[in-house]
Amino acid sequence: AQSVTQLDSQVPVFEEAPVELRCNYSSSVSVYLFWYVQYPNQGLQLLLKYLSGSTLVKGINGFEAEFNKSQTSFHLRKPSVHISDTAEYFCAVRRGSARQLTFGSGTQLTVLP
Amino acid sequence: DAGVIQSPRHEVTEMGQEVTLRCKPISGHNSLFWYRQTMMRGLELLIYFNNNVPIDDSGMPEDRFSAKMPNASFSTLKIQPSEPRDSAVYFCASSLAGGGFNTEAFFGQGTRLTVV
Repeated sequence: AQSVTQLDSQVPVFEEAPVELRCNYSSSVSVYLFWYVQYPNQGLQLLLKYLSGSTLVKGINGFEAEFNKSQTSFHLRKPSVHISDTAEYFCAVRRGSARQLTFGSGTQLTVLP
Repeated sequence: DAGVIQSPRHEVTEMGQEVTLRCKPISGHNSLFWYRQTMMRGLELLIYFNNNVPIDDSGMPEDRFSAKMPNASFSTLKIQPSEPRDSAVYFCASSLAGGGFNTEAFFGQGTRLTVV
C-alpha cells in the first residue's frame, strides 16, 4: 500500500518570500513522484516530476523539489513567490508498475501582498 | 492537442435523476482515469482503464456508479440514481503507458456536479 501525507493544509506567505510545501510518502516499492497545481475552478496541472536520476528536479514557474529516499520526502520549494502562485498544490505518488496516482490531501498556498 | 476534454463543465440535477459525465482523452493515450474531488475526501480514484478495459474499479462508491469506455477516444461516468452526497468535482485524466514508458497524467478541467 502507498500513501501520501501533506502535513500543511494551508500555507500563507508574503510575496517575494521563499516557500516550502512538505510531502512525505510511504511505499514498499519504488515510486515516481509528482507535484500538481490547481488554480480555482481549474483542473490539475503538472508542476514537476521525479522519475529517476538527479534527486533535484526543476519544474515550471520557478518551482523545484528534492527527492529524499531516506526520509521518504519530496518537498516543493520556490525561492521567491508571486501573488499568482496562490493555488492548491497536490503531491502525488505512482508505484513503479502502476498506472494510477495516489494524491495527498493538498496544501493551499496563499501569497499575501 | 486540445488536452483532455470533459463535458459538461457544470451540472445541476435533482436527486434521483441520472447523470452522465463525458470525457475525451488526449489522442494516442491508452490509460484513462476518473477521479472525484471533495472537501472531505480530497482526490479519490474511482476507476481507470487501460486500452479501453477497466483495470481497477475498487474506488467506485457503489452500484449507482458505472463507467464505460467504448473506444479509445471516449469514456462516460454515469450515476443512477444521483444523491446529494454525490456532489463533487469529477476529473478525467489520461496518460500513455507501455513498453517501460509511462507519461504523467494530464487532467481535464473537471465537471462540477451539484445534486439538489
